[in-house]
Amino acid sequence: QQQVKQSPQSLIVQKGGISIINCAYENTAFDYFPWYQQFPGKGPALLIAIRPDVSEKKEGRFTISFNKSAKQFSLHIMDSQPGDSATYFCAAAPRGNYKLTFGKGTLLTVNP
Amino acid sequence: DAGVTQSPTHLIKTRGQQVTLRCSPKSGHDTVSWYQQALGQGPQFIFQYYEEEERQRGNFPDRFSGHQFPNYSSELNVNALLLGDSALYLCASSSWSSGANVLTFGAGSRLTVL
Repeated sequence: QQQVKQSPQSLIVQKGGISIINCAYENTAFDYFPWYQQFPGKGPALLIAIRPDVSEKKEGRFTISFNKSAKQFSLHIMDSQPGDSATYFCAAAPRGNYKLTFGKGTLLTVNP
Repeated sequence: DAGVTQSPTHLIKTRGQQVTLRCSPKSGHDTVSWYQQALGQGPQFIFQYYEEEERQRGNFPDRFSGHQFPNYSSELNVNALLLGDSALYLCASSSWSSGANVLTFGAGSRLTVL
């Protein structure tokens, strides 16, 4: 049973455009929602994270939007750059539980 | 400041063999988690260690075992290797007191089972 569903599987965006990646979850006990960025040959790196007491969090060009009633959250990358080309993973964990459940990933390609 | 270091980077084993992977956590971290990442998939939680004890375990068979040492470093052992164990094994460290699920990942150990 996949508890975190991520879409799209791949995404191609032009430089300067907006990249949007979506995730949906099933477990209402989840209360921590991070996004990770992974470059080839590297481990995932924490990009930004949100807890369900806020509906949006912004850090630089990266924004998480969170919809608790719909059990969905998304990553927006503004002014996308070729250096943003990587695989992005959403994840979720319940309160007090240290196991992260990851989505299957989105391969983002930003064309120059 | 060194991040999470893992060894070896790559290794090749044959079915039925045993493998040991090693991890040194980021300075200041005391909790180590192990994840398996199959090609084209997201990481899957294997288990987590804190204070030299396994605190939580994912849906992996007993062939997968681990250990944490007093210096917080950790090992992942896999016995009776199967072809399906071929994957990137990621170690992640965190601080138990400030958020054990706020993870810093290493670059991983890529295991190929022939």
